[in-house]
Amino acid sequence: SQTIHQWPATLVQPVGSPLSLECTVEGTSNPNLYWYRQAAGRGLQLLFYSVGIGQISSEVPQNLSASRPQDRQFILSSKKLLLSDSGFYLCAWSVPAGVTGELFFGEGSRLTVL
Amino acid sequence: AQKITQTQPGMFVQEKEAVTLDCTYDTSDPSYGLFWYKQPSSGEMIFLIYQGSYDQQNATEGRYSLNFQKARKSANLVISASQLGDSAMYFCAMREAYSSASKIIFGSGTRLSIRP
Repeated sequence: SQTIHQWPATLVQPVGSPLSLECTVEGTSNPNLYWYRQAAGRGLQLLFYSVGIGQISSEVPQNLSASRPQDRQFILSSKKLLLSDSGFYLCAWSVPAGVTGELFFGEGSRLTVL
Repeated sequence: AQKITQTQPGMFVQEKEAVTLDCTYDTSDPSYGLFWYKQPSSGEMIFLIYQGSYDQQNATEGRYSLNFQKARKSANLVISASQLGDSAMYFCAMREAYSSASKIIFGSGTRLSIRP
């Protein structure tokens, strides 16, 4: 069966510090991978998605970046965090083709920037 | 461009009553899929139900059904016989088949609270 894990689950970082969130998927190959951010009590904002190794589509211009060094690994990074980067970050995967592919989510990473 | 709108920020419903959560969407793609997710206070995202744009019948999954009105571009979620455990955030989402096949966007959500 397929599983998705992301870490760390919780982190508190000072403004201007770097960030690295990691997500891995098991039990499937060539998945689409996604990073979403959710501000407190708000909806999910699509940040990045990837259809293959090294292929990243960015949805929102910001100081975040994403990389996909391996087929089932997706990393969200920042060189210098801003206060506005605080939120709940969700990694997800879906099958690579067809509209019937729902998203399967990781457990989430709660980031607080102080 | 694709867009999802949920106009109800919050709803209160008495236990055992049915509830309808609204979702409207906008797309120029003839083929697309619509999804509903539930997010309890724990933060996990739980997939509830799917409706394809070419499906002839409305989707149903247990107590969940989707009232799909293609001409009006609406995909409302109906929860029958609500339970206390249904209290959560609910999100509508859409995936287009052609123009941006891998992009899945979400509405702003509706917070549902069930009263005992």
